[in-house]
Amino acid sequence: EAGVTQFPSHSVIEKGQTVTLRCDPISGHDNLYWYRRVMGKEIKFLLHFVKESKQDESGMPNNRFLAERTGGTYSTLKVQPAELEDSGVYFCASSQRFRGRNEQFFGPGTRLTVL
Amino acid sequence: DAKTTQPNSMESNEEEPVHLPCNHSTISGTDYIHWYRQLPSQGPEYVIHGLTSNVNNRMASLAIAEDRKSSTLILHRATLRDAAVYYCILRDRLYNQGGKLIFGQGTELSVKP
Repeated sequence: EAGVTQFPSHSVIEKGQTVTLRCDPISGHDNLYWYRRVMGKEIKFLLHFVKESKQDESGMPNNRFLAERTGGTYSTLKVQPAELEDSGVYFCASSQRFRGRNEQFFGPGTRLTVL
Repeated sequence: DAKTTQPNSMESNEEEPVHLPCNHSTISGTDYIHWYRQLPSQGPEYVIHGLTSNVNNRMASLAIAEDRKSSTLILHRATLRDAAVYYCILRDRLYNQGGKLIFGQGTELSVKP
């Protein structure tokens, strides 16, 4: 079974540009999460999808961030326009619904550098 | 979600047991104790979780204090591959089937050959 995949693995952009990160969850996982770690800080929750619906977006820092999950499959996280403080590693995770321990499976992350 | 406290770092020798402590004095009766770890350059991965009783799986053991205000993750024989940041996370049973994870600073474990 394939794990959670994220694309790209690295992205370097200039301040003011737009970047779109993609996450492909494990097939059949209804829950999809975005997290990020900015330099020197803890991993922070951004938002949670159940299928195509946003269940919890309390962690989204501001309206420059837009997450979508069309059709309840893959998800994208767009940052527009990017600022210096957006640099960090963005993780995506997925999990099944109503199944046992509900562990979250994480992707390897996308390292975003804003210059 | 209740807060957890862990040492910033610990050292271990290869093939020796490691006991990683976590304090969660404000834990509620419905909080599960979860452990995740993050290997270098990877995303976090689930290790183990429990509610009241001690738990064992192929990766580790979880010892939970009787009052549930603390717990200990036990790696029975540390290997170099176990070097990682270990996170102790509380998750409310009501949200256990879908809620977010709240990460603290975690404990950075280094393993010496």
